[in-house]
Formats: sequence, structure tokens, C-alpha cells
Amino acid sequence: EAHLVESGGGLVQPGGSLRLSCEASGFTFSTAWMIWVRQAPGKGLEWLASIKEDGSEKYYVDSVKGRFTISRDNAKNSLYGQMNNLRAEDTAVYYCARDMGRFTLDVWGQGTMVTVSS
Amino acid sequence: HSALTQPPSASGSPGQSVTVSCTGTSSDVGYYNSVSWYQQHPGKAPKLIIYEVNKRPSGVPDRFSGSKSGNTASLTVSGLQAEDEADYYCCSFGGQKIFGGGTKLTVL
Repeated sequence: EAHLVESGGGLVQPGGSLRLSCEASGFTFSTAWMIWVRQAPGKGLEWLASIKEDGSEKYYVDSVKGRFTISRDNAKNSLYGQMNNLRAEDTAVYYCARDMGRFTLDVWGQGTMVTVSS
Repeated sequence: HSALTQPPSASGSPGQSVTVSCTGTSSDVGYYNSVSWYQQHPGKAPKLIIYEVNKRPSGVPDRFSGSKSGNTASLTVSGLQAEDEADYYCCSFGGQKIFGGGTKLTVL
């Protein structure tokens, strides 16, 4: 069974950085597009970034361009999200998900909470 | 680019049918047959329930169905059950704001 587990969330001060990880199992990670989605407390879902199977293509929502970097290590079955210059509005649960094509997100992790506060 | 538009809430009694709409534009919902729907219970991750407008993943009850007309996609839940009470999000390929704002479905 396909499974995703996020880690790396926590409390960080404004302006700080955090690296999120997402470990995959139960499927061939190297053949899957992967994405990051976040959900602020009490709010809806927001797509952040997508990465192609081999990492050669990356796409970002405008609101995080320059502050969020998506990457992957297929040898480790892992997806990463590097977040810099964090702001209070980045406080959210961050999910990784497998994209079966055109945002058909069939496998989700349980999410990791990021809180940006002084 | 605006997010897809969903009603904030919907409700129905057990056994009834409820339809949730998702309105986009001719650049997303109206152009691509890549509309998906996600169910999210409180404190849980979203779950795919409909993809490519009207297809159901294995294990999703056939009480859930999807359709599309022009720039508007719809999710219908038939034979409402208590466990259907959740937030529902539509999603469409074609822009940066790929998700709708979400609809809270209440089973009365």
C-alpha cells in the first residue's frame, strides 16, 4: 500500500528556515510526480509546488517563489521542501502528495505542522 | 487568478442527496477534464474521492459521483450517511489556485 510520511515541522521564528521531508513507501517513488500542499488553520488547501519524477521540472505558486524550494532524492524515496524567510502567514499543516497526473492526488501524507511565531 | 468557487456550506438529511458545485473558468474547469474532489474529516488528511470529473478510486462508495457542465463541476453525494459529514474540496488543473475554497457538508 502506498504511504507517505512527512516530518520536519515545528515552531520557528519569523525570518527563520525549515526543511520538510516526506518519505514514500509502497510504490515506485521515482516514477511519480510529487507535490506539496498546505492548509492554514481553519482554512482551505493551497498548492505550493510540484516536481517531476526525475526532478528536472519544478513549479511553484507565486506566493512562495524564491522562499520555497522543492527537491527529491529518488535513491532515498524522499521529497523535500526547504522553506526560508518564514512569515506568520506560513503557519499551516504541510502535506506531501503523489500526483497521478494533472493534480489527481491519490496518496497523501498525514501532514506536518509548521508554526511561525516569536 | 481566482481560486475555484465553492459554496461554503451544504447540508442534507440521512438518505437524501446533496450536490456541491465548483465554478471555475474556461481556462481550468471548462477546458480540462482534470477535475478531482477530496473529502477531509477534521484533523485528517484529504482523501481523493473523484478524479477526471467522474471517476471513483477503488474503495470509494458509488454514492459519490461527479459531473461537469461548462465551467462548473459538481459532486453529488447520494444516500447521505453520517460519516459523509466532512469538508469537500474541488481541484482542477489549469492555474495556480487549483483548489476550491471548500464546502462543509453537514448531515442533519
